[in-house]
Amino acid sequence: EIVLTQSPATLSLSPGERATLSCRASQSVSIYLAWYQQKPGQSPRLLIYDASNRATGIPARFSGSGSGTDFTLTISSLEPEDFAVYYCQQRYNWPLTFGGGTKVEIK
Amino acid sequence: QVQLVQSGAEVKKPGASVKVSCKVSGYTLTKLSMHWVRQAPGIGLEWMGGFDPEDGEEIYAQKFQDRVTMTKDTSTDTVYMELSSLRSEDTAVYYCATGAQPFDYWGQGTLVTVSS
Repeated sequence: EIVLTQSPATLSLSPGERATLSCRASQSVSIYLAWYQQKPGQSPRLLIYDASNRATGIPARFSGSGSGTDFTLTISSLEPEDFAVYYCQQRYNWPLTFGGGTKVEIK
Repeated sequence: QVQLVQSGAEVKKPGASVKVSCKVSGYTLTKLSMHWVRQAPGIGLEWMGGFDPEDGEEIYAQKFQDRVTMTKDTSTDTVYMELSSLRSEDTAVYYCATGAQPFDYWGQGTLVTVSS
């Protein structure tokens, strides 16, 4: 099973600041990594797929990079609605696995 | 646009089974690879299993292998997830999800509470 480790667990930032979230895989997942955003009481929402492709309707301030075992989600300038929990997920092989999440909170 | 609508909340006693449904609209179920993901209170996301897009066969996470059954009814475009031998640790929100990535679309979630 591929283990995904996200860091930091919590990121305290102010609106307008840049957020950089990390996801590290226990073995290579090539580019088959996705990022999701989840707000309290809501279902997760796909942000990025295949490491760097924005999903439909996702603002350009969200970007993803990386390949192999190291991946990054960047939010260039935080909007109030971006404070949420973010999860990475790999689809390179079975079982599909998620990271433990990074909470982006208002400083 | 794919929409997934799940059945309502359930309360079950330890040792019982629960069956959650997920109705698909906006697309044909036969062309979708459906999955189930759960989230315990305050915890992250956990993939339980789904249908392999290559051959349509069910694939389950080892943790749930002996207790979970996923089925689909193409006549009603509905998928089901049944979890047996419930214990308190199974208290969670259960989501159905589908898509190419593979979770482009999510149901609204079904809260299953296991309590004596």
